[in-house]
Amino acid sequence: DAGVIQSPRHEVTEMGQEVTLRCKPISGHDYLFWYRQTMMRGLELLIYFNNNVPIDDSGMPEDRFSAKMPNASFSTLKIQPSEPRDSAVYFCASRGGETVTRDFGPGTRLTVL
Amino acid sequence: QQPVQSPQAVILREGEDAVINCSSSKALYSVHWYRQKHGEAPVFLMILLKGGEQKGHEKISASFNEKKQQSSLYLTASQLSYSGTYFCGTGAINDYKLSFGAGTTVTVRA
Repeated sequence: DAGVIQSPRHEVTEMGQEVTLRCKPISGHDYLFWYRQTMMRGLELLIYFNNNVPIDDSGMPEDRFSAKMPNASFSTLKIQPSEPRDSAVYFCASRGGETVTRDFGPGTRLTVL
Repeated sequence: QQPVQSPQAVILREGEDAVINCSSSKALYSVHWYRQKHGEAPVFLMILLKGGEQKGHEKISASFNEKKQQSSLYLTASQLSYSGTYFCGTGAINDYKLSFGAGTTVTVRA
């Protein structure tokens, strides 16, 4: 099992640019979570999906953030336009079956200049 | 609400013990413990679902007191590999919206 895959691992962009983060969950997992980690706010849940359907997006900070899951093996988190305060590590995690734990991906470190 | 973890940081020598506490102002139904090494993703350690239940992972164990709305993680005879940041996540049994604490950074020195 390859685990949760995220790309890119590092992203440096300039303020105002569009950023797209990608995630491939573990095959067979039916829940997918997007988290943001910063020193100030710790690990925050942004949105989660069940069977490709967004269930709760109350953690999405603003309309500049959007997430999609077009199929069971792919999800994107998009920031448009990006701002310096969006700089953080973004984690994708998945869970499935009877397990209640989350398997985290390696994260994407985003830096917005 | 985010659970409160204490202490924020602890430094140990190999073989020493430590306790990390996690408390919530809301009723707890489950507590998840994760460890994150620097620059890596959080890794699941254990989950506690019942009051007073203890579980273990290597020489790391945890307890969960529903009445006090708190959980404690015990690092026994610490090893260098125990270094990292430990997070507790709290929520309901079927609540997928885990709230994570700010983390406790553990440094184990030889």
